[in-house]
Amino acid sequence: DVKVTQSSRYLVKRTGEKVFLECVQDMDHENMFWYRQDPGLGLRLIYFSYDVKMKEKGDIPEGYSVSREKKERFSLILESASTNQTSMYLCASSPGTGGAFFGQGTRLTVV
Amino acid sequence: AQSVTQLDSHVSVSEGTPVLLRCNYSSSYSPSLFWYVQHPNKGLQLLLKYTSAATLVKGINGFEAEFKKSETSFHLTKPSAHMSDAAEYFCVVSDLNTNAGKSTFGDGTTLTVKP
Repeated sequence: DVKVTQSSRYLVKRTGEKVFLECVQDMDHENMFWYRQDPGLGLRLIYFSYDVKMKEKGDIPEGYSVSREKKERFSLILESASTNQTSMYLCASSPGTGGAFFGQGTRLTVV
Repeated sequence: AQSVTQLDSHVSVSEGTPVLLRCNYSSSYSPSLFWYVQHPNKGLQLLLKYTSAATLVKGINGFEAEFKKSETSFHLTKPSAHMSDAAEYFCVVSDLNTNAGKSTFGDGTTLTVKP
């Protein structure tokens, strides 16, 4: 069974903290993605990566960075968390032939 | 550029009746199209995908969708709704030739199933 695992289901952080969201896939996929999902705004792409050490900005990269040191792991970093980054974060991986597999999501609350 | 429009934000059906969730897309290339389902507090699960093979695509849980190029549509259907089908559904278009298959999501359709 294919698997995309996000390290936390729920996370509460304080404003100004540095936050790491981790995502691991076991399918040897080249492509990995980070989205955030907000009511009324749908899913928006933050960053994606098509290879180790490669990254591309998505639609809303401001306030975020990413790291892809190994093929199976794609990390999302909030350098200085703010309350407007409270959201559901979804990681996905894709083989490039169509269709992405999603993790269960991390609900992040910044207080 | 690519975009996708889900024509209904909410659909309500009775258990045992047919389901129709509508999706229109636009894409500069031959698109790949997907439907995902998301149950409350869960991640997204792939229901089915169209990638230029048969235009009628069968997915999991009895769902199917038909790709109609002339109408730029990819509507999701199921002959008989079950209570467990209540969830949010997303139509997605993706161009596999560029941007690592970056996907564009519709705004979602919430399906309610009444007993």
